[in-house]
Amino acid sequence: DTEVTQTPKHLVMGMTNKKSLKCEQHMGHRAMYWYKQKAKKPPELMFVYSYEKLSINESVPSRFSPECPNSSLLNLHLHALQPEDSALYLCASSQESRGPHEQYFGPGTRLTVT
Amino acid sequence: DAKTTQPPSMDCAEGRAANLPCNHSTISGNEYVYWYRQIHSQGPQYIIHGLKNNETNEMASLIITEDRKSSTLILPHATLRDTAVYYCIVRVVWSGGSNYKLTFGKGTLLTVNP
Repeated sequence: DTEVTQTPKHLVMGMTNKKSLKCEQHMGHRAMYWYKQKAKKPPELMFVYSYEKLSINESVPSRFSPECPNSSLLNLHLHALQPEDSALYLCASSQESRGPHEQYFGPGTRLTVT
Repeated sequence: DAKTTQPPSMDCAEGRAANLPCNHSTISGNEYVYWYRQIHSQGPQYIIHGLKNNETNEMASLIITEDRKSSTLILPHATLRDTAVYYCIVRVVWSGGSNYKLTFGKGTLLTVNP
């Protein structure tokens, strides 16, 4: 099973809402990632978790709060977002963050902030 | 990470081989070449990676020049479903630090025509 699942597929939220994106993998991978992709742009890394610890934060605003409750789950908590945060949010996992391991991506959550 | 240069777009006839070039003239000894693709509105999909030897899997072949400054991804018999943005990425795989990021460039939009 090489599947990374993400829920929800689509999310519309107001600027005062709090919502969460969820990502799950059952491949035994110990590294998980959040990427953001704006329309017609390549994905940009936001966060990396390695062995359930945050190892990279690409200077992401605090209105995005990642959480890794266990080795299979990755959440992204959203609060007080801006319309410019509307994008496709992609989750990925790999065997480890170091080494020649490929990343497996989920289908993404398309977020619209109104 | 070393930067890559890819043509913005290419066309290929269905059933023919698609050869996608990538220049990475500043690649370092501890960097691998990775190829991913992204079909419209889906998450990126891993295709293949390599260090210096040519590699082949069920999806594609990767040809890396002897000086490692460029590579070519070959899809042997392109189909309409291979229409996607193809990303060539060079990535550190071993380092004393923790910078193992996958940094996407603009990629090549491959259009397979009937």
